[in-house]
Amino acid sequence: GNSVTQMEGPVTLSEEAFLTINCTYTATGYPSLFWYVQYPGEGLQLLLKATKADDKGSNKGFEATYRKETTSFHLEKGSVQVSDSAVYFCALSVPGGSYIPTFGRGTSLIVHP
Amino acid sequence: EAQVTQNPRYLITVTGKKLTVTCSQNMNHEYMSWYRQDPGLGLRQIYYSMNVEVTDKGDVPEGYKVSRKEKRNFPLILESPSPNQTSLYFCASSSLRTESNQPQHFGDGTRLSIL
Repeated sequence: GNSVTQMEGPVTLSEEAFLTINCTYTATGYPSLFWYVQYPGEGLQLLLKATKADDKGSNKGFEATYRKETTSFHLEKGSVQVSDSAVYFCALSVPGGSYIPTFGRGTSLIVHP
Repeated sequence: EAQVTQNPRYLITVTGKKLTVTCSQNMNHEYMSWYRQDPGLGLRQIYYSMNVEVTDKGDVPEGYKVSRKEKRNFPLILESPSPNQTSLYFCASSSLRTESNQPQHFGDGTRLSIL
């Protein structure tokens, strides 16, 4: 079956530090890959996505590149802000397959001033 | 505004008292799903639906029921709630148009406490 593995948190950083949250996956077929963000007290919202190998998704200064050879989709940001403190979920779905999305367990990010 | 609306946002109740959490979406999405979120366990899928009158069990369906009589609504029913169902619940929906690789849209969550 499909699976998503994320680095465990919490990840604690100072403001303006560089962020990497690792995500690797296993899937049958050709998955689309997503990063969702959950701010305190809210639901998940899409942060970025990539639909094929070597695609780079980007939004709000965050980036992730679909690496088929390493089955990875690591989330990066060059300079984090306190407002980026949230839980980040990596996810995949396989268009045309069963579709059922698969989520990682989430990584909590805490950014200190 | 495109949205998924869950109600109630918060509920404290007692063991055995039937409850329903409603979920409605205004995006004409085929796919709807319920998740529960617990510390250290991430999101776990309870039930999902690919379209009207089509529902299937997810990873943790025990103790829950759902129905999909209309495309926009997907209520979650706890016939006899127990304390181990205390959790944060999310409803989500998405389109099944494969050519567009649609992401899921989530509601703001319902925090249930079963005493």
